[in-house]
Amino acid sequence: KNEVEQSPQNLTAQEGEFITINCSYSVGISALHWLQQHPGGGIVSLFMLSSGKKKHGRLIATINIQEKHSSLHITASHPRDSAVYICAVPLLGSGSRLTFGEGTQLTVNP
Amino acid sequence: DAMVIQNPRYQVTQFGKPVTLSCSQTLNHNVMYWYQQKSSQAPKLLFHYYDKDFNNEADTPDNFQSRRPNTSFCFLDIRSPGLGDAAMYLCATSNDRPGPQHFGDGTRLSIL
Repeated sequence: KNEVEQSPQNLTAQEGEFITINCSYSVGISALHWLQQHPGGGIVSLFMLSSGKKKHGRLIATINIQEKHSSLHITASHPRDSAVYICAVPLLGSGSRLTFGEGTQLTVNP
Repeated sequence: DAMVIQNPRYQVTQFGKPVTLSCSQTLNHNVMYWYQQKSSQAPKLLFHYYDKDFNNEADTPDNFQSRRPNTSFCFLDIRSPGLGDAAMYLCATSNDRPGPQHFGDGTRLSIL
């Protein structure tokens, strides 16, 4: 069992739909990262959060430390949101090393 | 804008011919990381520097070396690239550990 699990692996949506990507982890963490990677491109850090909720534009990230679960929401999705979304955590005691989820491939069709 | 810059974006080298990838940052961050990412896989940390302190991952092959001559620059040296080393190489920085990591656009390495 992976220490960080994401669901779904693949997600196809129509433009304008509300999207949710989930991340569950099984060990103690200090914070959780949501990352975005476009095809053939580098990675953009969307959020780092350790409690509650953060919002940036149409993106919202929430985390429930007790339940070891985080969600990334995209409101009013757009084709340019098509990318791989990755959940990553620095496990306690691992220093800087991030443990990554498998990623969720999101495709938003016009 | 402050950023993490990787050069080149695409690098082609021959089997066994040493290659160096570079990363520079204008964020003045303490920590610099090198990741290897193969197709459809999650990034894998190779090593990181906390200031001048080098931290190698246990499973990073000896073929991979790194240098950080100053705060702004970090290099990844692959001494004798094999076909299995073809991948995207990502550089990232953070102000502390664990802090939010800022990634470069990556260098895609091909081996002929």
